Amino acid sequence: QVQLVQSGAELKKPGASVKVSCKASGYTFSGFYIHWVRQAPGQGLEWMGWINPYSGGTEYAQKFQGRVTMTRDTSISTAYMELSSLRSDDTAVYFCAREYHFDSSGFDSWGQGTLVTVSS
Amino acid sequence: DIVVTQSPESLAVSLGERATINCQSSQSVFYRSNNKNYLAWYQQKPGQPPKLLIYWASTRQSGVPDRFGGSGSGTDFTLTISSLQAEDVAVYYCQQYYTTPQTFGQGTKVEVK
Repeated sequence: QVQLVQSGAELKKPGASVKVSCKASGYTFSGFYIHWVRQAPGQGLEWMGWINPYSGGTEYAQKFQGRVTMTRDTSISTAYMELSSLRSDDTAVYFCAREYHFDSSGFDSWGQGTLVTVSS
Repeated sequence: DIVVTQSPESLAVSLGERATINCQSSQSVFYRSNNKNYLAWYQQKPGQPPKLLIYWASTRQSGVPDRFGGSGSGTDFTLTISSLQAEDVAVYYCQQYYTTPQTFGQGTKVEVK
């Protein structure tokens, strides 16, 4: 079955960087975009960007431009999201989700989420 | 950016009754080229990731019970739960994926009255 399994919780200091992984299984990794969405405690969902695992192409939300980098390693079917210059308001659960981009039919499978806490 | 606004913020419905959630986008999310609305609905329970219920505004995701229905076009959309079950207690989000940045509504919390 399709699974996206994310790395574990992180505690970071302000100004540091965090890199979250998302390992895909049960489908052809290169056939689906991976999106990253975050959710601050008690808040709604915020889209951060996507990566095309086939080409490595990316698109980021303007809000995160310059601070976020999305990469992938096709040999291990894993996508990564790195966020730098962390601030306290980056404290959130970070989700990866896949999308079949050719027909844009929504995010049909999600990772379990990774809690990133930014605190001094 | 397209602003997506949901209403109401919360909703209490008796078991077996209908629940209706509205979603309005600040501009049309309808693609004329393929006649589709790029609007999805998700259900999120506490401590879980969101689950896709509806895409293209009205197409039910595989495995989603048929009591969940989506309707609307252009800028105005509705998610209807025809007969609320206890397991439907959750927060529901709509999402436009017509253009980037993709944006979500603020969520609607559905509870049992």
